[in-house]
Amino acid sequence: KAGVTQTPRYLIKTRGQQVTLSCSPISGHRSVSWYQQTPGQGLQFLFEYFSETQRNKGNFPGRFSGRQFSNSRSEMNVSTLELGDSALYLCASSLQSETGRGDTQYFGPGTRLTVL
Amino acid sequence: AQKITQTQPGMFVQEKEAVTLDCTYDTSDPSYGLFWYKQPSSGEMIFLIYQGSYDQQNATEGRYSLNFQKARKSANLVISASQLGDSAMYFCAMTSNYQLIWGAGTKLIIKP
Repeated sequence: KAGVTQTPRYLIKTRGQQVTLSCSPISGHRSVSWYQQTPGQGLQFLFEYFSETQRNKGNFPGRFSGRQFSNSRSEMNVSTLELGDSALYLCASSLQSETGRGDTQYFGPGTRLTVL
Repeated sequence: AQKITQTQPGMFVQEKEAVTLDCTYDTSDPSYGLFWYKQPSSGEMIFLIYQGSYDQQNATEGRYSLNFQKARKSANLVISASQLGDSAMYFCAMTSNYQLIWGAGTKLIIKP
């Protein structure tokens, strides 16, 4: 079974631009989560989607948004990029249970975004 | 608020020795899950092992085992017979409201 795929793997943008990152979950997985990883802040939760519904959102400004499609694929968008948005963006998928507690999240290779 | 604490920023271990990576957690939720992930320099986050709060036995996955002490709120990862390929960042995480709460990580370096 294919793993989680993320595109693109690397991205260089300039301040003020916007970017869209894509994530395809493992086949059959209905939950997709996004995380930002930086050396200073570590791993931080961005949002989680299940059946096209956002169930939880982390403490990020409104410039960060996401969505999930009917085939469970997900995209996240960052508008008006800032230097501090430079990070590794990780997508994870899980099978999903009612509570969400026991489901293991499997991660993609990440998208490394550099903002100049 | 839920929190994960990893107190070892870095560790050096001789190849073939066992290594224990520490993780303590704080939650008021009676039902939760604890995870360990490995992140090599390539960046991909690799799932290692899971422990549920109601599990009676410690989890094991090959060379990985989780020393779960619920009363102490600790979930230490034990790697037996370490290998050079085990050199990586290791993260402890806990489920909470459809997200993972992460520790700061431990950088493990295996010496030949």
